[in-house]
Amino acid sequence: ETGVTQSPTHLIKTRGQQVTLRCSSQSGHNTVSWYQQALGQGPQFIFQYYREEENGRGNFPPRFSGLQFPNYSSELNVNALELDDSALYLCASSSGQVQETQYFGPGTRLLVL
Amino acid sequence: AQRVTQPEKLLSVFKGAPVELKCNYSYSGSPELFWYVQYSRQRLQLLLRHISRESIKGFTADLNKGETSFHLKKPFAQEEDSAMYYCALSGVGSARQLTFGSGTQLTVLP
Repeated sequence: ETGVTQSPTHLIKTRGQQVTLRCSSQSGHNTVSWYQQALGQGPQFIFQYYREEENGRGNFPPRFSGLQFPNYSSELNVNALELDDSALYLCASSSGQVQETQYFGPGTRLLVL
Repeated sequence: AQRVTQPEKLLSVFKGAPVELKCNYSYSGSPELFWYVQYSRQRLQLLLRHISRESIKGFTADLNKGETSFHLKKPFAQEEDSAMYYCALSGVGSARQLTFGSGTQLTVLP
């Protein structure tokens, strides 16, 4: 069984640029959630995808968008990057069943200069 | 709105001593509570959840709805328990998003 993987592991962008982060869900999981973790803080929910549809969104502006593909992998896109977008971005997958456990990936560290 | 508060950013105890990591929550309903742990250089992983009522690695946590708390306890801390601990809440709803506290860094001293 393959766990959740994310790519890239880290990257550096400049303010105003766009970035795409990728996540491969754990085998058998059809739900992917994205979280932003700023330094010294707990993860903050961005949005969730279930069977290729957005299934809930946290308090993030529309420049944060996502996709889920038929194989249940997912992308997080952030447009018009701001300095405050610098954070660790975590992806978590789950089976979509009630009371399921979310399994986290290692994260992508984004630095915006 | 749902909120999780972990009042201690840092907590140090000696090996063999009891440890309690505090967690308080705010939620208008019946939440599901979790403890996640992140060991050094490892990914975030589930430690325990209140519905399973099980003990993992000697840790237990009891949901106290009156005090809106879900404190994590272990009677005898081990050095390998040193890690960052996050309390999290999931409300009722299709998204079942997790709301995390800011975490407590536990250090178990030899």
